[in-house]
Amino acid sequence: EPEVTQTPSHQVTQMGQEVILRCVPISNHLYFYWYRQILGQKVEFLVSFYNNEISEKSEIFDDQFSVERPDGSNFTLKIRSTKLEDSAMYFCKQAASNYGYTFGSGTRLTVV
Amino acid sequence: AQSVTQLDSHVSVSEGTPVLLRCNYSSSYSPSLFWYVQHPNKGLQLLLKYTSAATLVKGINGFEAEFKKSETSFHLTKPSAHMSDAAEYFCVVSLSQNAGNMLTFGGGTRLMVKP
Repeated sequence: EPEVTQTPSHQVTQMGQEVILRCVPISNHLYFYWYRQILGQKVEFLVSFYNNEISEKSEIFDDQFSVERPDGSNFTLKIRSTKLEDSAMYFCKQAASNYGYTFGSGTRLTVV
Repeated sequence: AQSVTQLDSHVSVSEGTPVLLRCNYSSSYSPSLFWYVQHPNKGLQLLLKYTSAATLVKGINGFEAEFKKSETSFHLTKPSAHMSDAAEYFCVVSLSQNAGNMLTFGGGTRLMVKP
């Protein structure tokens, strides 16, 4: 499977600050997802994004979160005002129309 | 609705012995099923996937899994464990082959391999 690049690999931020996590798209992939894994817990679905719109989101994905694909380039997850409990690994996933899921290597977010 | 239960949070085996990681699923439709592996501080790597073709699925690194509809199970096996297999393993279900469907993860099983 092709690799999906996420940047940064690790980010430390102060509580209340905004963070933007980035996922570099694979050219033929149309579906984008964000998942979160709090340390020691299961991987949780956050949001799915297709055709420049959110197609589905979980209860976790509240008003503090947003996603976009500015200018058709990177797929981003923004957390407007981080909380301590936002500390987690965040994974981007992409999928092609012919079915194939590829996860990124993840961004470890630490909120202090 | 769909859900995944991984029956063991931790499994410990000796190097060279068989590995069995258990997974049961619940899905209203014919699901697609996956196993992912996560090594410490690494991303999620796909081991294998079942998408309504052969019920016995072979993956990378000698792993395989068998889809048993009657038991709603998709257990992961390997004949002989290697030290490098030590990692967290996730059983994952998706409603269908549609790339637009989200994945539901099991809680994970941490595999420890003793020398």
